[in-house]
Amino acid sequence: KNQVEQSPQSLIILEGKNCTLQCNYTVSPFSNLRWYKQDTGRGPVSLTIMTFSENTKSNGRYTATLDADTKQSSLHITASQLSDSASYICVVVPGYGQNFVFGPGTRLSVLP
Amino acid sequence: DGGITQSPKYLFRKEGQNVTLSCEQNLNHDAMYWYRQDPGQGLRLIYYSQIVNDFQKGDIAEGYSVSREKKESFPLTVTSAQKNPTAFYLCASSIEGTRDSEEKLFFGSGTQLSVL
Repeated sequence: KNQVEQSPQSLIILEGKNCTLQCNYTVSPFSNLRWYKQDTGRGPVSLTIMTFSENTKSNGRYTATLDADTKQSSLHITASQLSDSASYICVVVPGYGQNFVFGPGTRLSVLP
Repeated sequence: DGGITQSPKYLFRKEGQNVTLSCEQNLNHDAMYWYRQDPGQGLRLIYYSQIVNDFQKGDIAEGYSVSREKKESFPLTVTSAQKNPTAFYLCASSIEGTRDSEEKLFFGSGTQLSVL
């Protein structure tokens, strides 16, 4: 069964600190992996998209990594800001014509 | 101002009642989707439409219905047959609807449906 797991379920950090969120997947075949940011009561917004051949992709203070061999991805947030408080969702795309597989998300709270 | 507009933001349903969630987009996207989001779970696909006047069931279509009479609009009806409708509903769209691996999804702001 195609599945995406994320850890931790929730995380609290102080403003200015770094953090890393984890994503493990058992999706086959594999086309690409995406990270979304979802503010409370809003729709998800795309942060990064990585294909099989990409190991790292950055978007400002967000850096995503992908290890397709171990089927793991991480999202690293540098110098966190209060506005980073949100849920971060890992999504795996199996391939053409197949439904996206969404993880449950990690809820990040950045405190002043 | 282009985007996807969902309404209402909050909706309450009485037992035995059908309710309709609105989704409108002015991005000229062919494909539109409805997802359901429950706490602690990933988004689950309810219905999707790749072109006007055509739509397909997703993973959890039972108790829901949709229509796609116009390219811009994809309303979702939660029927009385859906026994556990309380959830956050998200509408999304994409350019071509081929569900190509590179296709980007754009989401609306969601509708929170609760049962009275």
